[in-house]
This record gives sequence, C-alpha cells and structure tokens, in this order.
Amino acid sequence: DVKVTQSSRYLVKRTGEKVFLECVQDMDHENMFWYRQDPGLGLRLIYFSYDVKMKEKGDIPEGYSVSREKKERFSLILESASTNQTSMYLCASSAQGLGQFFGPGTRLTVL
Amino acid sequence: GEDVEQSLFLSVREGDSSVINCTYTDSSSTYLYWYKQEPGAGLQLLTYIFSNMDMKQDQRLTVLLNKKDKHLSLRIADTQTGDSAIYFCAENVAAGNKLTFGGGTRVLVKP
Repeated sequence: DVKVTQSSRYLVKRTGEKVFLECVQDMDHENMFWYRQDPGLGLRLIYFSYDVKMKEKGDIPEGYSVSREKKERFSLILESASTNQTSMYLCASSAQGLGQFFGPGTRLTVL
Repeated sequence: GEDVEQSLFLSVREGDSSVINCTYTDSSSTYLYWYKQEPGAGLQLLTYIFSNMDMKQDQRLTVLLNKKDKHLSLRIADTQTGDSAIYFCAENVAAGNKLTFGGGTRVLVKP
C-alpha cells in the first residue's frame, strides 16, 4: 500500500514564525502536492512538484514556498506564519494515472 | 475552464442506497475519482473511472459516468454508519496528475 506521512498531526505556532511541514511518500511517485483545506472552500492547491528540484505554483501560492531535494520528500514552508494560514494542510503523491494518495493531514494553528 | 460541483449534503438511512452526484466542465478529463474523508483525516481514494467507461462497480460502490452531460455519480449500496464522511469527486485534466476537486458532499447515515 502507498504510504504518505506528514511530520505532525497538530501544530501550534506564533505569528511571524517560520514553519516547516514535511511530507514523505514511500512509493517512488514522481508527483507531490500540497493543499490546504478550509471549511466552505474545499481543497485548494498551494504548490506541486513533478520531479526532484522542480516546483510549480498552484492556485494559492502566496505566503508559501516548497522544497523537493529528494524524490520522496516534499516540504512546505511558511516563511512568516500569519493567522490566516491557520488551516488543515494535506500532502499527496501520485504516479501517472493512478490518482493522488493523501497523507493524514496537519492541522496548523497560528496564534 | 475547470470547475467541479457537488451538492453539499446528503442524508440517508442505514441500509438504503446513497447516490452522490458531481458535474464537471472539462471534457478532456482522462480519469475521474471519488475520495472519502473521515473527520480529522486525509482523503482516501475510493475508486476511479477512466473517461472511456460508462460504469464501474467495486463491491458496494458503483460509479456512473455520463460524458455527454459531464455528470459523474457514486452509488453506495447498503449504506452503513461507517460510510458517514465527506465525499469528493475530482477530475484529472493535466499532465502530472494534477486534480481539480469538487467542494465535497457531506453524507450523514442515520440508524
């Protein structure tokens, strides 16, 4: 079975802090994705990556950056966390044509 | 453009069938997916259908695709309380398996 893990289930940070959310997949998938999920807004794509060291902006990249130094790991970085970044963050990975497989999510609260 | 729409809520009695509907706009979709999200968890890939198929059955799940009307449905037979969750449909329209998600349908199964 595909396994996608995220570094934390719950995270509380303060405004202005730098935040790292880590995602690791064990199926050698080329593609990896970061979403945020908010009530009434559904899933919104922040960034995705088709290969190591490659990244593409999604629908809402502002305030975020990403890093993909190794194929299995895709990191989401909040350079200076703000309260409007309080959300559920979901990581996913995929190979061609198989759909995306999601991690359990990280619920981030920014105070 | 890409847009995927679902109704917000469905209530069903245990043992009845549930039908969750989804409409999409991009006729070039290659795969269409159904995901399930239980409270506090990530999205679980339930099933998918290739765009040249009309129907796919997988145990209690039946997916129907009407390409002419761009309508996708998920039928759950003999609905159980464990089926209470949010269900998302998604379409795959771009290389790299980027998906467009609907807003999700919350299904409540009453005993």
